[in-house]
Amino acid sequence: SQTIHQWPATLVQPVGSPLSLECTVEGTSNPNLYWYRQAAGRGLQLLFYSVGIGQISSEVPQNLSASRPQDRQFILSSKKLLLSDSGFYLCARNGGQGDTQYFGPGTRLTVL
Amino acid sequence: GQQVMQIPQYQHVQEGEDFTTYCNSSTTLSNIQWYKQRPGGHPVFLIQLVKSGEVKKQKRLTFQFGEAKKNSSLHITATQTTDVGTYFCAGPSGGGADGLTFGKGTHLIIQP
Repeated sequence: SQTIHQWPATLVQPVGSPLSLECTVEGTSNPNLYWYRQAAGRGLQLLFYSVGIGQISSEVPQNLSASRPQDRQFILSSKKLLLSDSGFYLCARNGGQGDTQYFGPGTRLTVL
Repeated sequence: GQQVMQIPQYQHVQEGEDFTTYCNSSTTLSNIQWYKQRPGGHPVFLIQLVKSGEVKKQKRLTFQFGEAKKNSSLHITATQTTDVGTYFCAGPSGGGADGLTFGKGTHLIIQP
């Protein structure tokens, strides 16, 4: 079966600290991978997507960056967190019906 | 850019009552998708509609795609407590790699 893992599940970080969130995918090769952020009352916002190793596209300008060092690994990073970076970060892969998305369990990030 | 709007933002119903959420896109969509997110969980894919005027059913859930392929609705008949959650519609973002633009969602609250 195809599974998405994310860690950590929850994270509390001070403003100005660095961030690294990891997503790994099992059971599929060469998936398209995505990072979404869900802030309170704002739905899901697509942040980054990747069609392959080393290939990253950004949908919105922001304080975050993404990397894909391996086919099934997708990392979200920041050098210095802002309060506005708080939210629920979801990794997703493309599904069997074209552009459908399958989400991982997410990481809840609180920046204080 | 493309916008996907959903109404209502919140809906309180008594258990057993019907529920409907509406989705409108600023652009014509090649398809529309619906997701459900339980409290504390991640979005889960429900269905994809592709054809103009398409209607699909999943037990008590009925999904419709408008003739102009710019609007959609989800109707739940005789709600149950297991229906609690946030229902999102989403359409292709128009960017690369099949990312999605999500509506802000409709939070369904059921009173027993």
